[in-house]
Amino acid sequence: TQLLEQSPQFLSIQEGENLTVYCNSSSVFSSLQWYRQEPGEGPVLLVTVVTGGEVKKLKRLTFQFGDARKDSSLHITAAQPGDTGLYLCAGVHSGGSNYKLTFGKGTLLTVNP
Amino acid sequence: DARVTQTPRHKVTEMGQEVTMRCQPILGHNTVFWYRQTMMQGLELLAYFRNRAPLDDSGMPKDRFSAEMPDATLATLKIQPSEPRDSAVYFCASGQIMRTVRGHNEQFFGPGTRLTVL
Repeated sequence: TQLLEQSPQFLSIQEGENLTVYCNSSSVFSSLQWYRQEPGEGPVLLVTVVTGGEVKKLKRLTFQFGDARKDSSLHITAAQPGDTGLYLCAGVHSGGSNYKLTFGKGTLLTVNP
Repeated sequence: DARVTQTPRHKVTEMGQEVTMRCQPILGHNTVFWYRQTMMQGLELLAYFRNRAPLDDSGMPKDRFSAEMPDATLATLKIQPSEPRDSAVYFCASGQIMRTVRGHNEQFFGPGTRLTVL
């Protein structure tokens, strides 16, 4: 089974702190996505990365795709309570179909005011 | 504001009963997905359709689950008979997926159906 391992599983921090969450695999991915899921809702796409070493910024969120396209990280600067949620990474395996996303189990982030 | 809608949002049923979940994908999307989410397994792909044709249902228990797309505005997931281990949140998602273009695979998720089988 080709898995995406996310760490940490749980993270509770204070407003204003910085944090990084990770998404790792032994497999190569042709593309990787990050989603955020809030309680009672479905996941919402934040970003898609396709090139090894690629860095994308979305306001206070910085996403990086590993050079070998096997891992990714999400860094949040000055976290706010509105960042609270389950962060999921999902990838398409190299040579695989765009229809089949493999999801990690997520990092549950709580930002306390 | 186009969204994927799902009904019902919550369903409590007894073991052995039939459960039908419905999804209205975003108009114009060519692919519809069904997922199941649990704490233990995370999000698992059950089945998906392209242009209403079933492409892959290898993630579904074949003996009790069935997925159909009778028209472009309706996808259904049926469990018969239901079992306690089917308790989970079931998500429908749709997207305009281009099979061979890297990264062109954004999925839009509905709010889910929370199923509890007693």
